[in-house]
Amino acid sequence: GDSVTQMEGPVTLSEEAFLTINCTYTATGYPSLFWYVQYPGEGLQLLLKATKADDKGSNKGFEATYRKETTSFHLEKGSVQVSDSAVYFCALFHYGQNFVFGPGTRLSVLP
Amino acid sequence: DVKVTQSSRYLVKRTGEKVFLECVQDMDHENMFWYRQDPGLGLRLIYFSYDVKMKEKGDIPEGYSVSREKKERFSLILESASTNQTSMYLCASSRDRGRVAEAFFGQGTRLTVV
Repeated sequence: GDSVTQMEGPVTLSEEAFLTINCTYTATGYPSLFWYVQYPGEGLQLLLKATKADDKGSNKGFEATYRKETTSFHLEKGSVQVSDSAVYFCALFHYGQNFVFGPGTRLSVLP
Repeated sequence: DVKVTQSSRYLVKRTGEKVFLECVQDMDHENMFWYRQDPGLGLRLIYFSYDVKMKEKGDIPEGYSVSREKKERFSLILESASTNQTSMYLCASSRDRGRVAEAFFGQGTRLTVV
């Protein structure tokens, strides 16, 4: 079945550092890909999405590109802030299936 | 904005109690889901529903049941709560699964069974 693998962390960075959180997936066909963010004590919020190969999703300075050839959807941000501290989930949605989530990556940004 | 509302942020229940977790969405979404979230285990799907009165088992349905009498409401029921059901419970909804659509989540219910 479909699956999502992502670096589990925790990832600790200093403010203004560059962020990469790796995500790879296994799926037949062409799933849609998502990054969700969960702030402490909250539910998940959609951060960005991409629906087809080579699409780039972006939001709040975060970006991720749908790479079909490497089955990846890595999350990047050029300069993180303390307020970005959260858990980040990579996920896919495949036609005829349900959402599949990765295990989540905890990010801590230090001032 | 889509809103998914869970009835409680925090609940404390006793072992053996019957527990109801309620979830309501206001965007006429066909699909609704219940997940539990535990440290190191990520999100695990308990039950989901594609339409009123329809339900499907997810990955970990044991000890749970669901009810969907109205399109906007999806209830998770713990028939006899046990301490291993202490967890964060997340409800989500989405449009028809035949189309590309993201899942929208509620704020979560942190349940403690003592």
